[in-house]
Amino acid sequence: EIVLTQSPATLSLSPGERATLSCRASQSVSSYLAWYQQKPGQAPRLLIYDASNRATGIPARFSGSGSGTDFTLTISSLEPEDFAVYYCQQRRVFGPGTKVDIK
Amino acid sequence: EVQLVESGGGLVQPGGSLRLPCAASGFTVSSNYMSWVRQAPGKGLEWVSVIYSGGSTYYADSVKGRFTISRHNSKNTLYLQMNSLRAEDTAVYYCAREVQASSGWYYFDYWGQGTLVTVSS
Repeated sequence: EIVLTQSPATLSLSPGERATLSCRASQSVSSYLAWYQQKPGQAPRLLIYDASNRATGIPARFSGSGSGTDFTLTISSLEPEDFAVYYCQQRRVFGPGTKVDIK
Repeated sequence: EVQLVESGGGLVQPGGSLRLPCAASGFTVSSNYMSWVRQAPGKGLEWVSVIYSGGSTYYADSVKGRFTISRHNSKNTLYLQMNSLRAEDTAVYYCAREVQASSGWYYFDYWGQGTLVTVSS
């Protein structure tokens, strides 16, 4: 079974800064990886699928890249509503999450 | 508009049972892959079970033999029957629709708001 690891566990940044989140798979998953955002008390929301495709309604400041075993979610300029936990997912396996909080 | 609404959560004793419905609107449950995903308090996401449009079902090892996923087509509702509940099953349970991307792979595109199941004496 694939294991996904995410780093860092917590990322402390200020609004307007760039966020770079990493997800590493234990074996190659080609480009078949998704990213989700979850805010406290809310369900997860699909942001990115197939590594680099934005889901419907997702702002352009969110972008995904990578293939094989190494993937990156980039938020180009953090908005106040972007402070949340981010999960990567492949098949039906989720990574442990990266919390982006306000510095 | 696609909506998923879970219900049925609550406090149950260890060894007890609970059935969670997930009522769908805006799409047809039986034409889609539908999953249950849970999240223990303060923890990450854990996939629990899926039912395919063709009716095949699959389970995480942690719930195999204890949980059963099903659907009622005329009610457009997904269910999770949970038996022999344990303290470690305490979590918010989400139902989620899986969508097939152009790549052929499936991702969770719509989620319900979740329902909390607490297993405790």
